Amino acid sequence: SQQGEEDPQALSIQEGENATMNCSYKTSINNLQWYRQNSGRGLVHLILIRSNEREKHSGRLRVTLDTSKKSSSLLITASRAADTASYFCATDVDRGSTLGRLYFGRGTQLTVWP
Amino acid sequence: DAGVTQSPTHLIKTRGQHVTLRCSPISGHKSVSWYQQVLGQGPQFIFQYYEKEERGRGNFPDRFSARQFPNYSSELNVNALLLGDSALYLCASSLLTGGEKLFFGSGTQLSVL
Repeated sequence: SQQGEEDPQALSIQEGENATMNCSYKTSINNLQWYRQNSGRGLVHLILIRSNEREKHSGRLRVTLDTSKKSSSLLITASRAADTASYFCATDVDRGSTLGRLYFGRGTQLTVWP
Repeated sequence: DAGVTQSPTHLIKTRGQHVTLRCSPISGHKSVSWYQQVLGQGPQFIFQYYEKEERGRGNFPDRFSARQFPNYSSELNVNALLLGDSALYLCASSLLTGGEKLFFGSGTQLSVL
């Protein structure tokens, strides 16, 4: 499978703590994206990092990408109860036949306790 | 502006039946993709349509088909339903094709009994 794989599968923290989720993938990519999903509803795009970028920030989110290790991490700082959701990484694979297709991992279920 | 809209939100069918799911993309978006998400898994790519042409197909049987209309809305059809087709079906739109960020609808929850 060319899917990314998130780690850990589940993460439980207190409000105010930082949450770190990791993603590993198998093939060369054009970009890697992180999405959030609340309770089986639609996914919401959080951040996109291109293969030539190493780090990107958006509000309380920080994403890193290490193409040599084929891995990425998503850091959510000062977590809130409203951050409780499933987080997925998705890769845009560097191959013409897969144009437009994103490969999703199984996700990390984050629970933030008040 | 309206986001991606999908209908119906929930659907219950029995094995062997046929189902049609509908999706309206964000205004101005010409690309529509369909994903299947089984409980506990990440979304799996089914199809992508851009400018009314199929641009990509995932590893799904021929029972799955789709089309895109001149107004860029799309339908996903599944024939001869199996129990294993029970899943959340997600539609996503984007301006172009090619790995940019996707805007997802809330999905259609299909249950096959």
